[in-house]
Amino acid sequence: QQQVKQSPQSLIVQKGGISIINCAYENTAFDYFPWYQQFPGKGPALLIAIRPDVSEKKEGRFTISFNKSAKQFSLHIMDSQPGDSATYFCAASMTGAGSYQLTFGKGTKLSVIP
Amino acid sequence: NAGVMQNPRHLVRRRGQEARLRCSPMKGHSHVYWYRQLPEEGLKFMVYLQKENIIDESGMPKERFSAEFPKEGPSILRIQQVVRGDSAAYFCASSHMTGVNTEAFFGQGTRLTVV
Repeated sequence: QQQVKQSPQSLIVQKGGISIINCAYENTAFDYFPWYQQFPGKGPALLIAIRPDVSEKKEGRFTISFNKSAKQFSLHIMDSQPGDSATYFCAASMTGAGSYQLTFGKGTKLSVIP
Repeated sequence: NAGVMQNPRHLVRRRGQEARLRCSPMKGHSHVYWYRQLPEEGLKFMVYLQKENIIDESGMPKERFSAEFPKEGPSILRIQQVVRGDSAAYFCASSHMTGVNTEAFFGQGTRLTVV
């Protein structure tokens, strides 16, 4: 199975700081890259997603940066808040190939401290 | 606006018993996906179904696991003769269509414990 590698495994950020989570993929057929947020005991919730035809997408405090040549993408959370404390997963799928299953990274546990 | 509904939320089974996990997709969604999440791990794809059809079961173990999505009623993930290694959180996701709009909405999961 094609992998998506995510780092760091855990992250501690001061309130108001920038949280940065990185992912790298191998399969160049991936064409859809979402980020999910998961709170304990809950299901993952879609935060923001990007396709490889753009290098950056911003929604509120959340920004995805995408580097197609390096096969890397990252999530930036600006002005991080304690309420952002959760586990974040990057994912990828090959929608153009008719495969809509998501391949997930192993997750990053973010703790935002006051 | 009910989201993806999964039940039960928690399920305890003894080794050798059967586990049946149910998933009702969001209204209007006809695509259902099942994922398994082990502790401290990401989600692993198991199976993708549309109404009455299994589209992709490449992530399903070859034995003891089966899934269905009948014309009427919820999608069912069935695990026969459960073993301790089946203990995990099982998530269902649904989407309206495939292609450009591929957003998948997840349920809250069923946490299966095999004792």
